[in-house]
Amino acid sequence: DIVMTQTPLSLSVTPGQPASISCKSSQSLLHSDGKTYLYWYLQKPGQSPQLLIYEVSSRFSGVPDRFSGSGSGTDFTLKISRVEAEDVGVYYCMQGIHLPPYTFGQGTKLEIK
Amino acid sequence: EVQLVESGGGLVKPGGSLRLSCAASGFTFSNAWMSWVRQAPGKGLEWVGRIKSKTDGGTTDYAAPVKGRFTISRDDSKNTLYLQMNSLKTEDTAVYYCTTGLFTVPDAFDIWGQGTMVTVSS
Repeated sequence: DIVMTQTPLSLSVTPGQPASISCKSSQSLLHSDGKTYLYWYLQKPGQSPQLLIYEVSSRFSGVPDRFSGSGSGTDFTLKISRVEAEDVGVYYCMQGIHLPPYTFGQGTKLEIK
Repeated sequence: EVQLVESGGGLVKPGGSLRLSCAASGFTFSNAWMSWVRQAPGKGLEWVGRIKSKTDGGTTDYAAPVKGRFTISRDDSKNTLYLQMNSLKTEDTAVYYCTTGLFTVPDAFDIWGQGTMVTVSS
């Protein structure tokens, strides 16, 4: 199975400051169709997960443009340009190429200072 | 409104069985590839299994920890997804979510239910 490794596991950010989360996969997530199947989710406290980013860098509908995804192959990054209070929660990356199973990273907990 | 609503969770003894349901509305359920994802208390997300649409073969895939014990099925006439869980273990204790990729791609879980809690304990 593909192992997804996120760093850091927690971060505390002052509102208005940027934040960055790294996700590394144990194998390349580049498919022969040219797409890279890497997703980012946010689980806010007490809520179900919600999709933020799909295929590395495409923002899901309604996701603020302060969220951006980048990377290729095995190394990926989620960036928040200016953290807001509503961004608190746990962020997960997930791979969707080497199936089954879909595998998630361990999660990164974002707190506000 | 697009919605997924899970039900059927509860307390069950080790070795017991439970069937979860996920009622879908607001979209063409029969076309959707549906997955179950679980989250143990205080832990991360774990994919449980998936069922494809009947037009794509209706096949199922499972995560290793549940393979042979859990069965995913669907009733497209009722717009409902099921998770039959047998031989339950304490480590199956979790919130179980149904999810699908509706607005983007099938593997991008962009719609989630609210989850249903399963507790396996004697």
